[in-house]
Amino acid sequence: EVQLVQSGAEVKKPGESLTISCKGSGYNFATYWIGWVRQMPGKGLEWMGIIHPGDSDTRYSPSFQGQVTFSVDKSISTAYLQWSSLKASDTAMYYCARPFGFPGPFNYWGQGTLVTVSS
Amino acid sequence: EIVLTQSPGTLSLSPGARATLSCRASQSVTSNYLAWYQQKPGQAPRLLIYGASRRATGIPDRFSGSGSGTDFTLTISRVEPEDFAVYYCQQYGSSPYTFGQGTRLEIK
Repeated sequence: EVQLVQSGAEVKKPGESLTISCKGSGYNFATYWIGWVRQMPGKGLEWMGIIHPGDSDTRYSPSFQGQVTFSVDKSISTAYLQWSSLKASDTAMYYCARPFGFPGPFNYWGQGTLVTVSS
Repeated sequence: EIVLTQSPGTLSLSPGARATLSCRASQSVTSNYLAWYQQKPGQAPRLLIYGASRRATGIPDRFSGSGSGTDFTLTISRVEPEDFAVYYCQQYGSSPYTFGQGTRLEIK
């Protein structure tokens, strides 16, 4: 069974750094792209970008380019989303998700990681 | 960047009614790479339809997708109580793979 399990909720202050994780299981992690999706409180879904664990090929949405960094450690089947300096506007639920091909829609989703940034 | 506009913003229907949700793209979607998702409160989205008209695994046949180019439709033939949720379209033909703003299907 394919599963994506994300790290737990985080509460941070503006200016702090943060890395959240997404661990894949039940499939060959290195073979499938992993994407990240933001959902701000009460709002819709935003495609942040996608990374290929096999070679770390990465595509960022222009809206998120330079604001976040994707990475992977395929030895432990884990993808990461990181911020170097959080802002209050980064407060959101963040989902990792896996398409069944590339390009492709996301047919497997993590449970989400809630990030709250507040002073 | 392709902008997807969903309508209506909110759809109020009674169980058993037919639901028609629209998704319009600002430019033609490559290869009709258009997906629909359902999201319930506190849950991750669930893939319903991909390739504009193909049902994802385990999706009931009351859900159907149609359309091509810039105009796409999700139809629920007879709305069940568990179908009241928010629905999003997404195009995955041109990066960034944008989502629409969502349509809320609520109980009338």
